[in-house]
Amino acid sequence: DGGITQSPKYLFRKEGQNVTLSCEQNLNHDAMYWYRQDPGQGLRLIYYSQIVNDFQKGDIAEGYSVSREKKESFPLTVTSAQKNPTAFYLCASSPKQAGVETDTQYFGPGTRLTVL
Amino acid sequence: AQSVTQPDIHITVSEGASLELRCNYSYGATPYLFWYVQSPGQGLQLLLKYFSGDTLVQGIKGFEAEFKRSQSSFNLRKPSVHWSDAAEYFCAVDPGGYQKVTFGTGTKLQVIP
Repeated sequence: DGGITQSPKYLFRKEGQNVTLSCEQNLNHDAMYWYRQDPGQGLRLIYYSQIVNDFQKGDIAEGYSVSREKKESFPLTVTSAQKNPTAFYLCASSPKQAGVETDTQYFGPGTRLTVL
Repeated sequence: AQSVTQPDIHITVSEGASLELRCNYSYGATPYLFWYVQSPGQGLQLLLKYFSGDTLVQGIKGFEAEFKRSQSSFNLRKPSVHWSDAAEYFCAVDPGGYQKVTFGTGTKLQVIP
């Protein structure tokens, strides 16, 4: 079965700790995305990557970092610099390649991060 | 920058009744348009999308949406709602090229017997 997996589903962190959220896809998609979801605010883009070893900041990148060493993996690290990290985090991927106008994003099941 | 407005935060409908969820966008040209559905604690699932052509788009689960350029709208409809349709619905706009997708703030649908 092709799809996007995120782990863990629930994550608890103490203040001041960094934590890494996993996102893996076996859809052979070029582009991957991280979104943050808070009640009443929709989805806000944190980082995105259109190709391996390259990524760009989204609208709310401060306090987050990513890597894209492999096509199928796009982990997100929530650092201690993120002031309010408690949220629902969604990873997505799309087949969109450079020069392609648009394409559908496919979402993982999400990780709920709670800072204690 | 583009924006997406979903004016209804919550909507309650009776099972079997018709449904219309509103979505308006602000963008200079015609963007690419999407509707997604999210069940509690889950990821988003694509319902339908509009890229070009026929302005009435059919999606999964009996949903359809109509693109109206003159009104900058892309409203989602379903003729008869089922209890399993209770979820949150998101409209999204993609200007195309290397620009980012913008999501609306969502409309939470409650279905009552």
